Amino acid sequence: ETGVTQSPTHLIKTRGQQVTLRCSSQSGHNTVSWYQQALGQGPQFIFQYYREEENGRGNFPPRFSGLQFPNYSSELNVNALELDDSALYLCASSFGVANYGYTFGSGTRLTVV
Amino acid sequence: AQSVTQPDIHITVSEGASLELRCNYSYGATPYLFWYVQSPGQGLQLLLKYFSGDTLVQGIKGFEAEFKRSQSSFNLRKPSVHWSDAAEYFCAVNTGTASKLTFGTGTRLQVTL
Repeated sequence: ETGVTQSPTHLIKTRGQQVTLRCSSQSGHNTVSWYQQALGQGPQFIFQYYREEENGRGNFPPRFSGLQFPNYSSELNVNALELDDSALYLCASSFGVANYGYTFGSGTRLTVV
Repeated sequence: AQSVTQPDIHITVSEGASLELRCNYSYGATPYLFWYVQSPGQGLQLLLKYFSGDTLVQGIKGFEAEFKRSQSSFNLRKPSVHWSDAAEYFCAVNTGTASKLTFGTGTRLQVTL
């Protein structure tokens, strides 16, 4: 059984650029959620995807968008990067939309300069 | 809105000593409660979860947590800490029907030899 894999592991971008982060869900899981973890903080919910549709969104602006593919993998896209977007981005997968315990990936560390 | 408070930012214990990490939540009904652990540069690993039933929950790595409705608490305990337990610990709450986890700000555990 494979876990949740995220790519890339580290990324440096310039303010104003766009970035795409990728996530492969755990085998058997059909729901993917994305979280942003700023340094010294707990993770903050960005959004969740279920059956290729957005199923809940946190307090993040529209420049944060996502996709889920038929194989349940997912992308997080962030446009017009700001310095405050620097964070660890975590992907979590689960089966179904009710949360009985996610499996998290190791994250992508994004640095915006 | 649901919220989670972890009052202790940083705790230091000696190896072999007992541990208790505090977590208080705010939510009108019985929430789903979780404890996650995060090692430096890593994602989150689920230690244990509470949905209903027995208020004392056993998890992995020798951890347990007790749900106390009257105190809105879900404290994490371990009778004897090992040096490998040094990490960041996060308490989280989910209503079960909503799609997101709300995390506390975390408690950093340092273990001295």
